Amino acid sequence: AQKVTQVQTEISVVEKEDVTLDCVYETRDTTYYLFWYKQPPSGELVFLIRRNSFDEQNEISGRYSWNFQKSTSSFNFTITASQVVDSAVYFCALTWNTGGFKTIFGAGTRLFVKA
Amino acid sequence: DTEVTQTPKHLVMGMTNKKSLKCEQHMGHRAMYWYKQKAKKPPELMFVYSYEKLSINESVPSRFSPECPNSSLLNLHLHALQPEDSALYLCASSRTGPPDYEQYFGPGTRLTVT
Repeated sequence: AQKVTQVQTEISVVEKEDVTLDCVYETRDTTYYLFWYKQPPSGELVFLIRRNSFDEQNEISGRYSWNFQKSTSSFNFTITASQVVDSAVYFCALTWNTGGFKTIFGAGTRLFVKA
Repeated sequence: DTEVTQTPKHLVMGMTNKKSLKCEQHMGHRAMYWYKQKAKKPPELMFVYSYEKLSINESVPSRFSPECPNSSLLNLHLHALQPEDSALYLCASSRTGPPDYEQYFGPGTRLTVT
């Protein structure tokens, strides 16, 4: 069965700390896509990154970095030098197109960054 | 313009009411989506329109009726809802049909059914 697991329900850090949000997925498909979205208290999900199953290249974007490892079915997200504005719920999502488009989100990780 | 707009922001309706949620994007995207999100839960996909045709209906009850009048506009018609339908309803769009392109989300409509 297809599944996305975000084991950390809540994480609390102090500003400037580094924090890693874990995402583990299960899929039978060879072609799939992984996403991270941020949902601040305002409610609007904000796209952060997309990876397809054939692209294991890690990515860095400013203070954000992502580590995609097919061998462990993980797509982890690290925030370096966290800031209060990073406080939000972060969702990892998996999409695939076998038998029609499907998407599932992980349960989300709520990140609190304290000043 | 990289914005998806949704109206209204908040909606309170009784179980016998008929109301509609509206979603609009002007990014030239050809796929649009409706999601339902209960408090402290992840979004759940309801419907997908690809090139103005309904391509996915995730077994949503018929009291929810989507409509895509044109490529920029997506409506969700609500009728005879139940209190458990109270949730945040999110609209999203993507450049073309799913599954590969990222989705851009609107701020949502917070619906309360009394």
